Amino acid sequence: EPEVTQTPSHQVTQMGQEVILRCVPISNHLYFYWYRQILGQKVEFLVSFYNNEISEKSEIFDDQFSVERPDGSNFTLKIRSTKLEDSAMYFCASSEASSADTQYFGPGTRLTVL
Amino acid sequence: AQSVTQLDSQVPVFEEAPVELRCNYSSSVSVYLFWYVQYPNQGLQLLLKYLSGSTLVKGINGFEAEFNKSQTSFHLRKPSVHISDTAEYFCAVVLTPGGYSGGGADGLTFGKGTHLIIQP
Repeated sequence: EPEVTQTPSHQVTQMGQEVILRCVPISNHLYFYWYRQILGQKVEFLVSFYNNEISEKSEIFDDQFSVERPDGSNFTLKIRSTKLEDSAMYFCASSEASSADTQYFGPGTRLTVL
Repeated sequence: AQSVTQLDSQVPVFEEAPVELRCNYSSSVSVYLFWYVQYPNQGLQLLLKYLSGSTLVKGINGFEAEFNKSQTSFHLRKPSVHISDTAEYFCAVVLTPGGYSGGGADGLTFGKGTHLIIQP
């Protein structure tokens, strides 16, 4: 069964450094998403992406964040200058069609900012 | 804006007993409703979803949920739980296409999750 994959599984970085989290969505899916889950808190929507542009973003997704689909398979989330409060589990998801469709989640990348 | 409330952060249940995990939502426009499960060290997996039609929806692993519009609830139930059901369960909503003027790639709004603990 096709699945969403994410790399790395765990990323440790120093405050102020840039990080890029990578995701490979399911191949025939058209909609891509990033979510984060701070330890002990709820899963929060960050951004959605469709047709090579951001479709929707939450208030969390400020200028420090950017997303890109650099080629036909990868979908990346970049954090330009990490802060301690960016430490969280970051989940990528993809769906074949719009909001009625199931969003399939990857296993997540645990980001630790020191 | 929409919100999801899962009042129970933890629900301990004996094996083979029934369980109900509660979910209430708030939204000024129509939404679709979902239940996701997260097993330890894994991503979120869809259990079931309600889009329209019959208010009782059946999902994987013997789970079902009932949509109650008047009570704005979408409680998850299973008649007999197994040790393997130990996991975190998340209720989520997303705006229906008619409820948002965006491109249709709308993010899910999650509840805080309920940790289901199955006791032998």
